[in-house]
Amino acid sequence: GAVVSQHPSWVICKSGTSVKIECRSLDFQATTMFWYRQFPKQSLMLMATSNEGSKATYEQGVEKDKFLINHASLTLSTLTVTSAHPEDSSFYICSAGRVGGSEAFFGQGTRLTVV
Amino acid sequence: KNEVEQSPQNLTAQEGEFITINCSYSVGISALHWLQQHPGGGIVSLFMLSSGKKKHGRLIATINIQEKHSSLHITASHPRDSAVYICAVPPIGGGADGLTFGKGTHLIIQP
Repeated sequence: GAVVSQHPSWVICKSGTSVKIECRSLDFQATTMFWYRQFPKQSLMLMATSNEGSKATYEQGVEKDKFLINHASLTLSTLTVTSAHPEDSSFYICSAGRVGGSEAFFGQGTRLTVV
Repeated sequence: KNEVEQSPQNLTAQEGEFITINCSYSVGISALHWLQQHPGGGIVSLFMLSSGKKKHGRLIATINIQEKHSSLHITASHPRDSAVYICAVPPIGGGADGLTFGKGTHLIIQP
């Protein structure tokens, strides 16, 4: 099956710093990637849809200036959490699908802890 | 927006038991996903199904499109099956939007 690689798997950062999370589709091209966030004991929630070569589409309530998404190529999307705060501590996971397909392939996820 | 309900939220069973997890949704869809989330957070896609039944090893997934309901079954459950099982549906009308997830079923299989 298709592989989506997400890096890093965990990160601890100081409040006020920025953290970049990468999501790569290793063996297929993904024009669209999705970024989700999961708080403890809650379900995954879509944050934004990352579109190759264009601006990301953010869900209501997600600050686009805080969560910067760049989809520079058909195999790479990045999520940068800027000026991180402890309340941004969460599990972030990306997913991608093949062009024209409906299956979803997930990255391993990134556990972010802001101290 | 599609409302996705899963039951039970928590399930503890003994090794060897037959497990059933249910998922219902409010708006008709073309396909439904069953996912497994491990304690570390990583997610594995178990099934994507649009009708009938699919089987993979000890896992069986069924879907009834008319009743907007799907079930995930685990036969001869084992402690390594302990995980959170999540059903997810694509956006109404298809398109390139992300999935909507149920809250998950936290399954613990005791030896």
